Amino acid sequence: EVQLVESGGGLVQPGGSLRLSCAASGFTFSRYWMTWVRQAPGKGLEWVANIKQDGSEKYYVDSVKGRFTISRDNAKNSLYLQMNSLRAEDTAVYYCASVYGMDAWGQGTTVTVSS
Amino acid sequence: DIQMTQSPSTLSASVGDRVTITCRASQSISSWLAWYQQKPGKAPKLLIYKASSLESGVPSRFSGSGSGTEFTLTISSLQPDDFATYYCQQYNSYSRLTFGGGTKVEIK
Repeated sequence: EVQLVESGGGLVQPGGSLRLSCAASGFTFSRYWMTWVRQAPGKGLEWVANIKQDGSEKYYVDSVKGRFTISRDNAKNSLYLQMNSLRAEDTAVYYCASVYGMDAWGQGTTVTVSS
Repeated sequence: DIQMTQSPSTLSASVGDRVTITCRASQSISSWLAWYQQKPGKAPKLLIYKASSLESGVPSRFSGSGSGTEFTLTISSLQPDDFATYYCQQYNSYSRLTFGGGTKVEIK
């Protein structure tokens, strides 16, 4: 069974940092581009970042460029999102997903940025 | 950047109704369009990929059509389990993924 499980969310003060993790199982993780998507409370889905199979290409939505870093460890079947200089507007449920070639989503992890 | 404009934003319908949701891309995305259903507190669920291919396990009352810049999702006979929010998503490029604003299907 294909499974993506996120962790690492929580409450953080503005300007703080968090590292989200996503553990993949049930498929060959290294074969797929991976994606982070977020959803602010009561809002729609917003793409955050993509990473190529070998990590050599990374893309970000403009609002997180320079603050967030997507990475992966294929040996550990894991995807990460390092989030620095967090702002209130980064408050959202963050989903780890595979949408290119195979569709799979995690259950989401909640990030709340508030003082 | 490709923008996705989804309409309507809210739709009131009754069980048994035929429902159509539209998504427009700001430039051609060929058939690289997916439709998702999302219920409160849950992750999105894939319904349609490549504009018109039905995901395995999804009821046949869901169908998708279109190519280029105009796409539609149709529910042929709305069922109680279908009241949810629907999103289109373009995946034409690895450098950017874009979602439509969503359509909330409510009970009339």
